[in-house]
Amino acid sequence: QKEVEQNSGPLSVPEGAIASLNCTYSDRGSQSFFWYRQYSGKSPELIMFIYSNGDKEDGRFTAQLNKASQYVSLLIRDSQPSDSATYLCALNQNQAGTALIFGKGTTLSVSS
Amino acid sequence: GAGVSQSPRYKVAKRGQDVALRCDPISGHVSLFWYQQALGQGPEFLTYFQNEAQLDKSGLPSDRFFAERPEGSVSTLKIQRTQQEDSAVYLCASSLAAGSMQPQHFGDGTRLSIL
Repeated sequence: QKEVEQNSGPLSVPEGAIASLNCTYSDRGSQSFFWYRQYSGKSPELIMFIYSNGDKEDGRFTAQLNKASQYVSLLIRDSQPSDSATYLCALNQNQAGTALIFGKGTTLSVSS
Repeated sequence: GAGVSQSPRYKVAKRGQDVALRCDPISGHVSLFWYQQALGQGPEFLTYFQNEAQLDKSGLPSDRFFAERPEGSVSTLKIQRTQQEDSAVYLCASSLAAGSMQPQHFGDGTRLSIL
């Protein structure tokens, strides 16, 4: 089992809809969780980070963390065509916070 | 600088040549990371510096890969005797401090192609 699992997609949603991106992980000791957005040919851009169970909201984005079930999700409300990108889930497994472990990413396509 | 800067953006080399990739982190950032990203995959960790100290090099795929950060700012990733499987995007990231709660900020990467 890979350490961070994401559905590769593509996930297709119409403009204005809610896009839901999910990520599961295998290491219960994982400390912190990050969502990055990556446009084709560009670098990963930090969207959200979450450390505690529950929801964290920032504008149109909400990150949800459930450590007992070992999943983290990203909701994008009022999806726009400019949100079309690959979304990478990443985590730190220890407090030293060295390597980020990434999933393969989910490709999101928002149609106008 | 405003962000993490990497150079060159693109590098083409013949198999067997040595290459050097440069990373200039965000000013004042203590931690610096190198990742390798293959097409269609997430980035994979290579190595980590805290200031000038290389604290983790567990992700370096072979002894042909070498990284340094001699003055605790700019870092260079060197690949000796390049092989075709080294073709990938090499990403550099930095964070303000050490620790798992520190978000990492990425540069635009160097796309390395080995012919």
